[in-house]
Amino acid sequence: QKEVEQDPGPLSVPEGAIVSLNCTYSNSAFQYFMWYRQYSRKGPELLMYTYSSGNKEDGRFTAQVDKSSKYISLFIRDSQPSDSATYLCAMSGEDPYNGGSQGNLIFGKGTKLSVKP
Amino acid sequence: DGGITQSPKYLFRKEGQNVTLSCEQNLNHDAMYWYRQDPGQGLRLIYYSQIVNDFQKGDIAEGYSVSREKKESFPLTVTSAQKNPTAFYLCASSNPWTESSYNEQFFGPGTRLTVL
Repeated sequence: QKEVEQDPGPLSVPEGAIVSLNCTYSNSAFQYFMWYRQYSRKGPELLMYTYSSGNKEDGRFTAQVDKSSKYISLFIRDSQPSDSATYLCAMSGEDPYNGGSQGNLIFGKGTKLSVKP
Repeated sequence: DGGITQSPKYLFRKEGQNVTLSCEQNLNHDAMYWYRQDPGQGLRLIYYSQIVNDFQKGDIAEGYSVSREKKESFPLTVTSAQKNPTAFYLCASSNPWTESSYNEQFFGPGTRLTVL
């Protein structure tokens, strides 16, 4: 079982739809959960970051973390064609091999989203 | 303008040749990373460096080498030992982690390497 599972899609929705993107993970040590957005042939950029469980909202975007289920979500309200991109989840936690310091990011495979006008 | 630059944007290599990908940052970050991205594979960590003159292997270091002689530079060499080098290579940098804090990784624009 891979550490982070993410449905690669592609996911196609009409403009204005609510989009739900999800990742599951197996490592209970993960504490930091990120969503990156990557436009075609570009580097990823950080969209949302959440520490531990809970919700975080930023404009049209909401990130949710459920550590008991090892499940994270990103919701996009009123989706726009400019939201068309690949969305990557990433997570990290303590690195037991490095004195307990924070470990490196583990990425999901990314979900390709297309919002049609 | 602060950021990360990668060059070249596109690179073509013949089989058996070594090539070096450049990564420079002016964000004054201590940590730098190299990732490889293949279609449907997500990002996989090749090498990372938390401080100058020190670096560690990531998950897929075989066939790659790095150096970190300067804080702002972290070049990646793809050697002839790398069996499937055609991929999109991404460099990132961040400040080091501290307890209970997260430091965002900033990514460069990437280099697309194709082996002919």
